[in-house]
Amino acid sequence: KQEVTQIPAALSVPEGENLVLNCSFTDSAIYNLQWFRQDPGKGLTSLLLIQSSQREQTSGRLNASLDKSSGRSTLYIAASQPGDSATYLCAVDGGSQGNLIFGKGTKLSVKP
Amino acid sequence: DAGITQSPRHKVTETGTPVTLRCHQTENHRYMYWYRQDPGHGLRLIHYSYGVKDTDKGEVSDGYSVSRSKTEDFLLTLESATSSQTSVYFCAISSNILDSPLHFGNGTRLTVT
Repeated sequence: KQEVTQIPAALSVPEGENLVLNCSFTDSAIYNLQWFRQDPGKGLTSLLLIQSSQREQTSGRLNASLDKSSGRSTLYIAASQPGDSATYLCAVDGGSQGNLIFGKGTKLSVKP
Repeated sequence: DAGITQSPRHKVTETGTPVTLRCHQTENHRYMYWYRQDPGHGLRLIHYSYGVKDTDKGEVSDGYSVSRSKTEDFLLTLESATSSQTSVYFCAISSNILDSPLHFGNGTRLTVT
């Protein structure tokens, strides 16, 4: 059974800092890995999707990497801003129909 | 933003009553999912659909049923609501399972008293 772990559970950084969020998964037989952002009281917003054949994806200040063999992904956020404060979740597909297994998230606080 | 509407946004109901939550999409995506989100458990899959009338169970399907009679609508029914089903319910959609991200609705907060 696929399990997804995110460390740390919470992170507080000063504005402008570069930071890394970690995600690990137990079964390397995945189609893709996705990173999401969730603001309080809201749904999840897709940030990046990395297909199993890819090593990384970039969008603006965000860069996500994938190492299937070690069961790890990292989300790098450059030059953090207070608006980046949110909970970040990673997820991997749990089977053949695209249903995702989620980690419990990292709650990020960026202080001005 | 992906066109996903969940209704109602909030609901309070009593134990033992049936409840139906609706997810409506305007994207014509094939795949639709119902998740619940609880503190300490994160997001867990309840049921999903891979086409009209094609549905399957997820990790926490007991006490729930679903129906998908049209591409755009995916209904989640709590047959007899219990307090353990108090949660935030999210609907999600995607167009394919390989390279299409999952798009989420804004959720339904359900309280069972």
